[in-house]
Amino acid sequence: DAGVTQSPTHLIKTRGQQVTLRCSPISGHKSVSWYQQVLGQGPQFIFQYYEKEERGRGNFPDRFSARQFPNYSSELNVNALLLGDSALYLCASSSTSGGETQYFGPGTRLLVL
Amino acid sequence: DQQVKQNSPSLSVQEGRISILNCDYTNSMFDYFLWYKKYPAEGPTFLISISSIKDKNEDGRFTVFLNKSAKHLSLHIVPSQPGDSAVYFCAASGNSGTYKYIFGTGTRLKVLA
Repeated sequence: DAGVTQSPTHLIKTRGQQVTLRCSPISGHKSVSWYQQVLGQGPQFIFQYYEKEERGRGNFPDRFSARQFPNYSSELNVNALLLGDSALYLCASSSTSGGETQYFGPGTRLLVL
Repeated sequence: DQQVKQNSPSLSVQEGRISILNCDYTNSMFDYFLWYKKYPAEGPTFLISISSIKDKNEDGRFTVFLNKSAKHLSLHIVPSQPGDSAVYFCAASGNSGTYKYIFGTGTRLKVLA
């Protein structure tokens, strides 16, 4: 079975630009979570979506937004990019929004110049 | 406020010996704990989890121990293999409605052949 997939794998943007990252969950999983991992730190929670509804939001500015589609895939959008947004963006899926194990994709590495 | 702490940034162990990775947490509301392994350029891979109603969970070479009174968990890998060399993250979640994971900063394990 295919795991969590993310696209693109790498991305280079300049300050002020906007970026869209995509995630497809494991087949049958209805919940998608997004995390940001900067160098030397653990992943930090950005959003969780379940059945197309936002179930949780981390301590990130409004420049970060996300949505989930009827097929449970998800997009993360970041507007007005800052240098500090350079990070590995991870998507994780789980079967429900409850206390179930989340499985991570390979991530999208974003570099903001 | 770092709710999940991994105080050892790195650990070196001889092949065949036991690796012990430690993690401390501060939030007594956490009720589910996980360990992930991460290789460079890949997303975190789920290893093992434990619910707060247990104090031990085993899966092959991996055992996780939970000491709720000390707010401490550890991952034991026996025997350690060179392929285990990676960064290990502990994560915790609680019934906050979002089931977001709070991650530690990671411990880099190097298994020496």
